[in-house]
Amino acid sequence: DTGVSQDPRHKITKRGQNVTFRCDPISEHNRLYWYRQTLGQGPEFLTYFQNEAQLEKSRLLSDRFSAERPKGSFSTLEIQRTEQGDSAMYLCASSLALGRGEQFFGPGTRLTVL
Amino acid sequence: SQQGEEDPQALSIQEGENATMNCSYKTSINNLQWYRQNSGRGLVHLILIRSNEREKHSGRLRVTLDTSKKSSSLLITASRAADTASYFCATDAQIKAAGNKLTFGGGTRVLVKP
Repeated sequence: DTGVSQDPRHKITKRGQNVTFRCDPISEHNRLYWYRQTLGQGPEFLTYFQNEAQLEKSRLLSDRFSAERPKGSFSTLEIQRTEQGDSAMYLCASSLALGRGEQFFGPGTRLTVL
Repeated sequence: SQQGEEDPQALSIQEGENATMNCSYKTSINNLQWYRQNSGRGLVHLILIRSNEREKHSGRLRVTLDTSKKSSSLLITASRAADTASYFCATDAQIKAAGNKLTFGGGTRVLVKP
């Protein structure tokens, strides 16, 4: 257990539905990252926050995706109008902004879109 | 997009043998990190090597970094069945200070047979 938690761990939804995932980072970590991982591949960066500010978004993050970190603590990732191609593991990680750069990952949320 | 290429993609060894995997990357980096992932789980940080370091040890792990060749290797000595997992290298690109997004390779799947 790295101290990063994600909820839910598994989500099955029908195409076209909206889903929201939550990530709680290690409490003193001010940076929070979202990645997506498909089967047999390495994680791909989606977006990251320093405190409540969203500092970078990947081109992978289409208009259907939105992430927030309203109080600089937990974060949510919402996918609207889900598509089958959104099926993946969504991973959250946190780190210290002035640390060496190692990131601590949560267990992930596995999304299946039917 | 994945910056790193990992080699081999899969590796099968007997318990007690050493396992070596390699990672190549494309851009200048602040640091390179290795992570382990057990099937269907989150990533566990193993070791971080900075761009000005050439070799790092942690327990049974040895990491080397050659920035002139943009490559790194991870050696696991005296492997155990519990080392069975996928191993990923990840780079923190030298855009800003350390702590940016990570760019992952495709991973090496290691099977340690008892």
